[in-house]
Amino acid sequence: QGQLQESGPGLVKPSETLSLTCSVSGASVTIPSFFWNWVRQPAGKGPEWIGRVYYTGNTNYNPSLKSRVSISLDSSRNELSLKLTSVTAADTAVYFCVREVAAITSLFDSWGQGTVVTVSS
Amino acid sequence: QTVVTQEPSFSVSPGGTVTITCSLTSASVSNIHYPGWYQQTPGQPPRTLIYTTSVRSSGVSDRFSGSILGNKAALTITGAQADDESTYFCVLYLGSGIYVFGTGTKVTVL
Repeated sequence: QGQLQESGPGLVKPSETLSLTCSVSGASVTIPSFFWNWVRQPAGKGPEWIGRVYYTGNTNYNPSLKSRVSISLDSSRNELSLKLTSVTAADTAVYFCVREVAAITSLFDSWGQGTVVTVSS
Repeated sequence: QTVVTQEPSFSVSPGGTVTITCSLTSASVSNIHYPGWYQQTPGQPPRTLIYTTSVRSSGVSDRFSGSILGNKAALTITGAQADDESTYFCVLYLGSGIYVFGTGTKVTVL
């Protein structure tokens, strides 16, 4: 089964851009079998789906975040990345990268351990 | 903004049965939403239990079952055990590549 590992700064200042990377092993991000998602979870709350990218580069985003978010793939590194601009305290959360089986809607079959991001000056 | 609502909490006795539901504020939930269910314990990522309404993920006990009940998605846990004590989240597909997670239900076994 695939393994995913998130990395990036644990502290981001308000109004700046949050940038995270997810290193993927056990599967190539360039094959059509999977979508690659980002999901976040504020402390004590339910998960929030942020968006996903397909091997073609096609993306889908949460409408509430669409104006601030960008998800992309780096095939040379077998990684996906997340950029979220103009962050506020409301963006403080654990951020997960998640693999979704492309042929089976709603099957998120592999999750990273998550990385904590705090937005604070 | 689409909101997916679950019961905040349930308490169930060991060996008992509990049903958690997942509802949309703006529409009935049906198979077209491909409901999924995830189990999460503190400090861990969610674990896949059910996808596409009722299909159990590999290795998941048959004590967990998914269905549509009326206008909601439902997760039923039968023969509750101590290690079922977790928070359970549903996820719904809204179409056009968009997903939304539920608010979560904390299940206590005592």
